[in-house]
Amino acid sequence: EAGVTQFPSHSVIEKGQTVTLRCDPISGHDNLYWYRRVMGKEIKFLLHFVKESKQDESGMPNNRFLAERTGGTYSTLKVQPAELEDSGVYFCASSRRTGGTEAFFGQGTRLTVV
Amino acid sequence: ELKVEQNPLFLSMQEGKNYTIYCNYSTTSDRLYWYRQDPGKSLESLFVLLSNGAVKQEGRLMASLDTKARLSTLHITAAVHDLSATYFCAAQGLVGGATNKLIFGTGTLLAVQP
Repeated sequence: EAGVTQFPSHSVIEKGQTVTLRCDPISGHDNLYWYRRVMGKEIKFLLHFVKESKQDESGMPNNRFLAERTGGTYSTLKVQPAELEDSGVYFCASSRRTGGTEAFFGQGTRLTVV
Repeated sequence: ELKVEQNPLFLSMQEGKNYTIYCNYSTTSDRLYWYRQDPGKSLESLFVLLSNGAVKQEGRLMASLDTKARLSTLHITAAVHDLSATYFCAAQGLVGGATNKLIFGTGTLLAVQP
């Protein structure tokens, strides 16, 4: 069974540009989470999808971030326009059910905004 | 609001020595996770602790949970170089909550020196 995969693994963009991160969850996992780790700090929750619906987006920093999960399969996280403080590692995780089941993480996308 | 404090941030150990990483959380949590991350890799689940007094062991790592003290520990016995990695603890909100998002500690960068 394939794990959670994220694309790209690294991205370097200039301030003001747009970047789209993609996450493919484990097949059959309805729950998909996005997290972010800014350099040297803790991993912070961004948002949670159940199938195609946003269950909780309380961690999204601002309206420059847009997450979608069309069809309840893969998800994209778009940052537009990117700012320097958006640099960090973006993790995606998926789980089968919401009720306390273990989430499996992807390897992360390292985003550097210069 | 659930908050997690993890210490130390950085731990340099000699091979063969023992040490403990501490994880405190602020409010009631249903479950406590320990993850390991190697550079550029995904978060690997090490332990899931569900109840007060839970103790789990895998090789040279042992995790415990004291829900009354809101404290989890990850004990390393006779460290070896292969254990060098970043270790995260994460607390999960009450099962049945809307999202069950994970709240992470800052991580502990463990470097085991020969």
